[in-house]
Amino acid sequence: AAGVIQSPRHLIKEKRETATLKCYPIPRHDTVYWYQQGPGQDPQFLISFYEKMQSDKGSIPDRFSAQQFSDYHSELNMSSLELGDSALYFCASSLGLGDTQYFGPGTRLTVL
Amino acid sequence: QKEVEQNSGPLSVPEGAIASLNCTYSDRGSQSFFWYRQYSGKSPELIMSIYSNGDKEDGRFTAQLNKASQYVSLLIRDSQPSDSATYLCAVRGGRGAQKLVFGQGTRLTINP
Repeated sequence: AAGVIQSPRHLIKEKRETATLKCYPIPRHDTVYWYQQGPGQDPQFLISFYEKMQSDKGSIPDRFSAQQFSDYHSELNMSSLELGDSALYFCASSLGLGDTQYFGPGTRLTVL
Repeated sequence: QKEVEQNSGPLSVPEGAIASLNCTYSDRGSQSFFWYRQYSGKSPELIMSIYSNGDKEDGRFTAQLNKASQYVSLLIRDSQPSDSATYLCAVRGGRGAQKLVFGQGTRLTINP
């Protein structure tokens, strides 16, 4: 079965640079969620989109923005990167709001 | 106090025995409860979901929910070395909440 696709899988950036993470949900899934997992931490919810509209917002820094496109893929844009942004970033998708969330393989972001 | 609490372990269980993982949550209005398994550096993988009080069994896994006590547990029967991982309890609140709130995870080791 098709799963959530994330790209890139690994990303290395310098402080103050920008990064764009992409997420392609499971086919037919219309809801996308972004989570950040720091070393030794549990995943923290950042933001979600349903039918291309922001549906919920968590602890996402103002330096980050995200959107969902007409084909339901989503992009997380991160600017003025800080060392503390180094983490695993997971995208999850579901079929509709409130349904079970399935996680992608994640993007490991390292900020030097 | 975290919204979702788990014993971080490590929990060590001999192969073939029953592993018991516990989770408590603070939001009494929570509606949906999930157990995810996460191997180091990998994404969370859904093991079980449970929505109503009682037990739910799926193969070697049994999830138990007690909303009155705000308690969720996962039992793994006939534990295998491949079950060694971190188990994340995740809760989705009520009132249309979409985000998952995770516990800090319990690290489980199955000893051959």
